[in-house]
Amino acid sequence: GQNIDQPTEMTATEGAIVQINCTYQTSGFNGLFWYQQHAGEAPTFLSYNVLDGLEEKGRFSSFLSRSKGYSYLLLKELQMKDSASYLCAFMFSGGYNKLIFGAGTRLAVHP
Amino acid sequence: DVKVTQSSRYLVKRTGEKVFLECVQDMDHENMFWYRQDPGLGLRLIYFSYDVKMKEKGDIPEGYSVSREKKERFSLILESASTNQTSMYLCASSSPGVGNQPQHFGDGTRLSIL
Repeated sequence: GQNIDQPTEMTATEGAIVQINCTYQTSGFNGLFWYQQHAGEAPTFLSYNVLDGLEEKGRFSSFLSRSKGYSYLLLKELQMKDSASYLCAFMFSGGYNKLIFGAGTRLAVHP
Repeated sequence: DVKVTQSSRYLVKRTGEKVFLECVQDMDHENMFWYRQDPGLGLRLIYFSYDVKMKEKGDIPEGYSVSREKKERFSLILESASTNQTSMYLCASSSPGVGNQPQHFGDGTRLSIL
């Protein structure tokens, strides 16, 4: 079966660092995506990992361990505008760029 | 920038009505997708299409159908709307192929069935 788990909610302080974890249990892996979704808006693409290791993009980094079925999104120097839901999504190797999404982690950044 | 446009942001319909949700993308993407998003459940795939006139069922196709007559347009149809189809509906598109080909989403249609 397919199972993707991530925490439901997290809180953090402005300026701090937060790590959002995602674990998956499925087969046919072809990549792991992270999306950001502000309330009432469309999800927007943040990062993609297909090989093990850390991918850094400014304040955001994403890590993948395929052997452990584990990824995390790291947000540094948190800003109030980072308050949003963060969606972890698994891509199948079967084609068509089909994604399976986790339920999302709602992050609240406080002053 | 990729633009995925959904025809309505908010829609209210009655039980038993036939409902059409329209989605248009301007990047000549082959793949298009329809999801619904519900609290605590995340995005769930209803149907997707990888070419004109081609369609594949996703994880929750019951009660829905789709149409892809032109490459840029992908329509979701609720044959006979029911209250359990009240949800946020999101359309997405992407290029085919391997590697980093993210899906690009529209702003969503919040559909209420009364």
